Formats: sequence, C-alpha cells, structure tokens
Amino acid sequence: GIQVEQSPPDLILQEGANSTLRCNFSDSVNNLQWFHQNPWGQLINLFYIPSGTKQNGRLSATTVATERYSLLYISSSQTTDSGVYFCAVGGSGGSNYKLTFGKGTLLTVNP
Amino acid sequence: ETGVTQTPRHLVMGMTNKKSLKCEQHLGHNAMYWYKQSAKKPLELMFVYNFKEQTENNSVPSRFSPECPNSSHLFLHLHTLQPEDSALYLCASSPGASQPQHFGDGTRLSIL
Repeated sequence: GIQVEQSPPDLILQEGANSTLRCNFSDSVNNLQWFHQNPWGQLINLFYIPSGTKQNGRLSATTVATERYSLLYISSSQTTDSGVYFCAVGGSGGSNYKLTFGKGTLLTVNP
Repeated sequence: ETGVTQTPRHLVMGMTNKKSLKCEQHLGHNAMYWYKQSAKKPLELMFVYNFKEQTENNSVPSRFSPECPNSSHLFLHLHTLQPEDSALYLCASSPGASQPQHFGDGTRLSIL
C-alpha cells in the first residue's frame, strides 16, 4: 500500500516563529488531508488538498502531486498551535475510501 | 462542533464485558468509518460503510463487530476484548470516496 512519511517528527518553536511541515507519499493520490490533533485527542480538519495551494489564516498548504509531497506552513505560531499534525492520503488505485496516515509531527510552541 | 458525535467519550471495561460505541453524523454524508489510534502508532482504518453497505474491513478481529443501520449512524460492538485493544477509537464521515473525512472527538477505551 501507499507509504506516508512526515518530517520532522518533533518540532519546538517559540511563539511567533514560522514553520514548515513536510509530507512525502509513495504513489499518486486522490485525497490528501492535513489534520491537527489537540492534546484532548480531537482531530481537526485543516486542509483537503490533493493538489494546489490553499490558505486559511495563518496556515497554508501546498501539494505538488507530480513530485509526491505536501507542505504545511504555520506562520506567527501560537501556543494553541501545539499538538500533533497528521498528513493522510488516499491512493488513486484500489480503495478510494481508505486514508493512510503518517506518524505525525509533534509541535510544541512555547510562550 | 465537527458534525460527528461519538458516545461515550471514555469507556473502561473488563475483558469479558460487552459494550458498544456509537457514532452519529449530522452532515448528510454517505460514508462512515471507524479508525483505531493506539499509542505510538499511526491511525489505522478498521471499517468503511457506504450507503449502509460495508465496503472495507481492514483485517479486524471478529471481537469488533460494526453495524450501520443507516447513513447517519454507526456502531462498534465490542466483546471479549484484549488489553492491547485499549486505544482511542475515532469515527469519521465523508460525502463519498476520495472526499474529505470529518472526525468525531473519539472514544478513549481502556481494557482492564
């Protein structure tokens, strides 16, 4: 099946700093989502972005499907941005429902 | 509020008990999912239902039994679970295949 690798595994920032999280995947995709899991376990949709670029406030994401990677940008980070960021992909072959998750990036934003 | 509601939020049960997890979605979606998130492991898909029909069973042990009576409700019936089944169980829904999935807040399950 499709492989998903996220980097870095851990990231510590000071409040106000910017960061870039990366997601590499091993095959073509029909679905790519970025999620934020907060300390209470809630998994929040950030972006549905199988290709192209989107922006939502301080967050933006870019997926270059032909090169099999996606980037999540966080600008002017805040302590509430802390948590785990997951990339999840749905492959274009086989099941069109299955999302394969990466292991996540644990982000800690210090005041 | 994600539009996907899971109950209970926490559940502690013995290995011989029988319990059920419930998921309800208010988004008008056609597909519903169960995922398992264990400590130190990525989220794993367990089951997929589309229009009440099971379309995917990801080699899940028979002690987990899903039920989807309609497109808005999904259950996970649990019996004779093992300690390694302790995890966060997440329900999700989507309009259809290759569409964005929206997750509930999860049920944190502990097996004694």
